[in-house]
Amino acid sequence: LAKTTQPISMDSYEGQEVNITCSHNNIATNDYITWYQQFPSQGPRFIIQGYKTKVTNEVASLFIPADRKSSTLSLPRVSLSDTAVYYCLVGDEDTGRRALTFGSGTRLQVQP
Amino acid sequence: NAGVTQTPKFQVLKTGQSMTLQCAQDMNHNSMYWYRQDPGMGLRLIYYSASEGTTDKGEVPNGYNVSRLNKREFSLRLESAAPSQTSVYFCASAMGDISKGGELFFGEGSRLTVL
Repeated sequence: LAKTTQPISMDSYEGQEVNITCSHNNIATNDYITWYQQFPSQGPRFIIQGYKTKVTNEVASLFIPADRKSSTLSLPRVSLSDTAVYYCLVGDEDTGRRALTFGSGTRLQVQP
Repeated sequence: NAGVTQTPKFQVLKTGQSMTLQCAQDMNHNSMYWYRQDPGMGLRLIYYSASEGTTDKGEVPNGYNVSRLNKREFSLRLESAAPSQTSVYFCASAMGDISKGGELFFGEGSRLTVL
């Protein structure tokens, strides 16, 4: 299995910027890095995806260094509704990279 | 569009009973996936189908079978349910190679309890 390592949990306050870092030392040359968000009792939903450098969309930014062995999801000015579990994924080498493996994710708790 | 639809949403079984979880997607996606999620844990891949007519094992396939009935539908069957299979089951689909720029779309989940 392709392995990713993330912090188990993080705490923040409303209005702060939150950065969640993920390590993926065995990432393949052609793999993208994808982040998903999951609220309780719901399926995960796509947040952002990137291959290198920086990607930004309306909800987050993704920073990927040149060696691509890690990535950082940045959530600007979080609100209570950003409380969720965040997963970092790369291709699963055991499936020939035809599937993604979810790790345990990072549980983000945003306080008022 | 409905996206990914799973049925049933809730099910209680007794040990040894069998059942089939149904999944259908209306996005013309090529690949489909079944994951399970135990309380407080991440998702684990059970089986996947990279294209119509093919199925492959994931991380935790024991005790399950799947059928890719057509491009739209991917079912998961428990032949003899065990309490260890109590979990929330998620079906997902994707258009292309999700490790190279694709996006997974998930259903709402099916909550299964095995007594």
